[in-house]
Amino acid sequence: GAGVSQSPSNKVTEKGKDVELRCDPISGHTALYWYRQSLGQGLEFLIYFQGNSAPDKSGLPSDRFSAERTGGSVSTLTIQRTQQEDSAVYLCASSLVVDSGGYTFGSGTRLTVV
Amino acid sequence: EDKVVQSPLSLVVHEGDTVTLNCSYEVTNFRSLLWYKQEKKAPTFLFMLTSSGIEKKSGRLSSILDKKELFSILNITATQTGDSAVYLCAVLLSSNTGKLIFGQGTTLQVKP
Repeated sequence: GAGVSQSPSNKVTEKGKDVELRCDPISGHTALYWYRQSLGQGLEFLIYFQGNSAPDKSGLPSDRFSAERTGGSVSTLTIQRTQQEDSAVYLCASSLVVDSGGYTFGSGTRLTVV
Repeated sequence: EDKVVQSPLSLVVHEGDTVTLNCSYEVTNFRSLLWYKQEKKAPTFLFMLTSSGIEKKSGRLSSILDKKELFSILNITATQTGDSAVYLCAVLLSSNTGKLIFGQGTTLQVKP
């Protein structure tokens, strides 16, 4: 695609429910990143994919968070048993070259846990 | 712990003013420093700085890196209301993963 596409753009869920956030990166971009931005905060790294494997998942805050990537393309971030502190904007980014920093970001998913 | 700190956290100016945004960092294995502009949700890339003392310029925006003092500045001259945004500074580590460490951001509001 022309850009990084994320869905849904907004998600309101009840505490304790599971949610899935989707990221469709730019075609051909092998590196894919998930970041989280809480209100008034900078972006916090969650996980990095190179192809379908995740060499760095050090930013996942707890075992309720998991992510996968299939076909070297679409990625899904899953949050189980959501908590109110999970409320944030979840941003996905992709890049053609690993270690370049030259990401293209998606518009994010705003998750609100009530 | 790797850390990136931006100042000020927020700034209100009038059109035509010049602003300077600051970013300092303490990281292991520094590779590059990047500036992004975030207007709604998606940050858009502004500059990547790798070498000290070399100014990068794009229109009214410019940025420079000081690797000895571990900071960077982003200057915006003749500000316009369209410059209102959150400006994010991030450091790319030499970790072969492309992971960025972000500062908290500076919220700039330009009034007419």
